[in-house]
Amino acid sequence: EDQVTQSPEALRLQEGESSSLNCSYTVSGLRGLFWYRQDPGKGPEFLFTLYSAGEEKEKERLKATLTKKESFLHITAPKPEDSATYLCAVQLTSGTYKYIFGTGTRLKVLA
Amino acid sequence: DTGVSQDPRHKITKRGQNVTFRCDPISEHNRLYWYRQTLGQGPEFLTYFQNEAQLEKSRLLSDRFSAERPKGSFSTLEIQRTEQGDSAMYLCASSQAPGDLHFGNGTRLTVT
Repeated sequence: EDQVTQSPEALRLQEGESSSLNCSYTVSGLRGLFWYRQDPGKGPEFLFTLYSAGEEKEKERLKATLTKKESFLHITAPKPEDSATYLCAVQLTSGTYKYIFGTGTRLKVLA
Repeated sequence: DTGVSQDPRHKITKRGQNVTFRCDPISEHNRLYWYRQTLGQGPEFLTYFQNEAQLEKSRLLSDRFSAERPKGSFSTLEIQRTEQGDSAMYLCASSQAPGDLHFGNGTRLTVT
């Protein structure tokens, strides 16, 4: 069965304390892996798309990387405004149009 | 690009009542998705439209749920005979091609 697992479920960091979030996936065929940020009461906001192992994308304090089994979202020197839930999702190459989401990592950055 | 718009933002209904939600996707996007999200969980797929055709529907979706996308523009999601377990955030997303989804801010349904 195709599935996506994110860890940790929750993470508390001090401002400036870098860390990484993990998204591991078991799928029949990966078309793409997506990272989203979700603030309370709002819909997910797109961050990155990764298509092949070894690919990296960066945006401000965030960097996403992809291997054949997992993806990491690295947060460098986070600020309180980075506090949110980070979701990853996969799109499969065949058999379904749906995107499969993980349960997310709730990040809290303390000032 | 005005973004994906959903209406209403909040809906409180009594068990057994019918409710309908509306989604207006980004105008040039031909792909439209409905997802459901409960507290602490990731979005769960409900159904997918390409233009006006409903091409995929989750096996988890009971017969009480129906979605339409007339003329390939806006979409509606109707829940008949609501149950307390239907309480959730209902999210709509659109895309132009296989790639990133653009989400609306959802409709939060509370069934009392």
